[in-house]
Amino acid sequence: AQSVTQLDSQVPVFEEAPVELRCNYSSSVSVYLFWYVQYPNQGLQLLLKYLSGSTLVKGINGFEAEFNKSQTSFHLRKPSVHISDTAEYFCAVSGLTGRRALTFGSGTRLQVQP
Amino acid sequence: DSGVTQTPKHLITATGQRVTLRCSPRSGDLSVYWYQQSLDQGLQFLIQYYNGEERAKGNILERFSAQQFPDLHSELNLSSLELGDSALYFCASGKGQGNTEAFFGQGTRLTVV
Repeated sequence: AQSVTQLDSQVPVFEEAPVELRCNYSSSVSVYLFWYVQYPNQGLQLLLKYLSGSTLVKGINGFEAEFNKSQTSFHLRKPSVHISDTAEYFCAVSGLTGRRALTFGSGTRLQVQP
Repeated sequence: DSGVTQTPKHLITATGQRVTLRCSPRSGDLSVYWYQQSLDQGLQFLIQYYNGEERAKGNILERFSAQQFPDLHSELNLSSLELGDSALYFCASGKGQGNTEAFFGQGTRLTVV
């Protein structure tokens, strides 16, 4: 079984400041890792994913994430946020074999203030 | 636009009723996944179909069922609806049986009154 913990339900930050959204996972098997963003009244959009290889993954809109196997973490970062980054962010995992549907965390609401 | 189309966008119905939610996957995608997003349960996987066959089941209630048709569109049927079934239902599609990249539709917001 897999589980995902997003440690912060809300993260307020000022525009142009850096931000880190934390994600930890638990799994008995190797996993793929994902970050999705959900804007108000929208579906989920893939920001980035880790499948294998380099542990630093770059995604869209200037976001990046680092996979840390020893700490079972996959934190999302952006060096300078914009008002338009205000949204809900979901970390998710899926197994490489067996159950491959996404298991999501509870989400982190990023609120960018001017 | 993800290329995944869900209809209807909004649905309001009474308790005890039955509804059908429809999903058209992206062109070329064989897998369809259904997820439920609610305030108390968050985002939960319901069921997956691949090329017409059920591949995996998640936390799907017995009152709910789904199918994928030969043209690869999928329908999620929800019956004997309860107030607690009010949620946003998402469909996602992907090329293979795995989930290295799933594209989500805009969702159907179901309100049970």
